Amino acid sequence: DGGITQSPKYLFRKEGQNVTLSCEQNLNHDAMYWYRQDPGQGLRLIYYSQIVNDFQKGDIAEGYSVSREKKESFPLTVTSAQKNPTAFYLCASKYGTGSTMCEKLFFGSGTQLSVL
Amino acid sequence: QQQVKQSPQSLIVQKGGISIINCAYENTAFDYFPWYQQFPGKGPALLIAIRPDVSEKKEGRFTISFNKSAKQFSLHIMDSQPGDSATYFCAASKTTAGNKLTFGGGTRVLVKP
Repeated sequence: DGGITQSPKYLFRKEGQNVTLSCEQNLNHDAMYWYRQDPGQGLRLIYYSQIVNDFQKGDIAEGYSVSREKKESFPLTVTSAQKNPTAFYLCASKYGTGSTMCEKLFFGSGTQLSVL
Repeated sequence: QQQVKQSPQSLIVQKGGISIINCAYENTAFDYFPWYQQFPGKGPALLIAIRPDVSEKKEGRFTISFNKSAKQFSLHIMDSQPGDSATYFCAASKTTAGNKLTFGGGTRVLVKP
């Protein structure tokens, strides 16, 4: 099955700890995104990458870091600098530009991060 | 600054009724307006989308109405079913800017049987 796999489904972070959320896609999509969702709120963009080895900050990048070493993988690290990390994190991907299908975002099932 | 405002935050409708969700945007450069549907514990999925060159788009029981001059667009769910109970997000983007979607705050819809 083609799709986006996020792991783990639930994650707990201790004070001062960095944690990494995994996102893997086998859709051969060029662009990948990380969103944060808080209860009753919309999705806010953390980071995005349009091509391997390149990524840009979104609206709320502080306290987060990413890498894009492979086309299919876009891990997100929540650092200790992120003081309010409890949220539902969603990874998404889409085709690159030049395609009529390029606008549709495909989402993973999310990772719920909580602070111990 | 919230560029896409969505209302209402929640909505209860009887089975067979019409659900209406409204969104307003500020950036006149936006040229793509999708709606996403999200079930609890899952990621959102694209439901329907519209571009500003048309005023309405219909797919099954779901219709987007678009008013470019008012910078507003809405989702109508006709003959609402209990299986439509979900959170709906409107969004907007400028396709020349890497298609970074800006999402509304979401509307939780509950369809009562």
